[in-house]
Amino acid sequence: SYELTQPPSVSVSPGQTARITCSGDALPKQYAYWYQQKPGQAPVLVIYKDSERPSGIPERFSGSSSGTTVTLTISGVQAEDEADYYCQSAYRFGGGTKLTVL
Amino acid sequence: EVQLVESGGGLVQPGGSLRLSCAASGFTFSSYEMNWVRQAPGKGLEWVSYISSSGSTIYYADSVKGRFTISRDNAKNSLYLQMNSLRAEDTAVYYCARDMGGDGSADYWGQGTLVTVSS
Repeated sequence: SYELTQPPSVSVSPGQTARITCSGDALPKQYAYWYQQKPGQAPVLVIYKDSERPSGIPERFSGSSSGTTVTLTISGVQAEDEADYYCQSAYRFGGGTKLTVL
Repeated sequence: EVQLVESGGGLVQPGGSLRLSCAASGFTFSSYEMNWVRQAPGKGLEWVSYISSSGSTIYYADSVKGRFTISRDNAKNSLYLQMNSLRAEDTAVYYCARDMGGDGSADYWGQGTLVTVSS
């Protein structure tokens, strides 16, 4: 089995760009997905297949991939983006990253 | 509108059993793979089990293998998770999720049902 590693926390000021990374040996061979979860709510898919954005997800959310690392980028962060973010690939979730909007 | 509604959670003693159900609507259930994902209180997401659209292919996380059984009834648009030999560490919110990539990914999630294993 393998692991997906995320930073426990990321903090940004409103309007700035947040970048959340996810590292794993299988990522060059498997698609990655990103989910947003707010307290008391079910997760919501925000990026699929490394960089595709589902309908209804704001354009400020984007995804990229390079080698064994995938990155979720949130441009022009808004207060409503404060949440936990999880990467997922091949039946495995990362540990999650708490995004704090200062 | 896609809807997934879990039920069957509750309080159970260690060693006990519980069967979770997930009622699906708003899409052709028989055409989609499905997953169960859980989240222990204050912890991250953990993938639990996957089932193909026909039910012929099934995968489990190592943590539940041999104790949990996933199944589906396409005629009833329903997904199930039979949980046996429950342990305290199985305490979690259990989510039913529609697979989108055949790899445990999920484009739609239910609201979850809480399972508490305690004496």
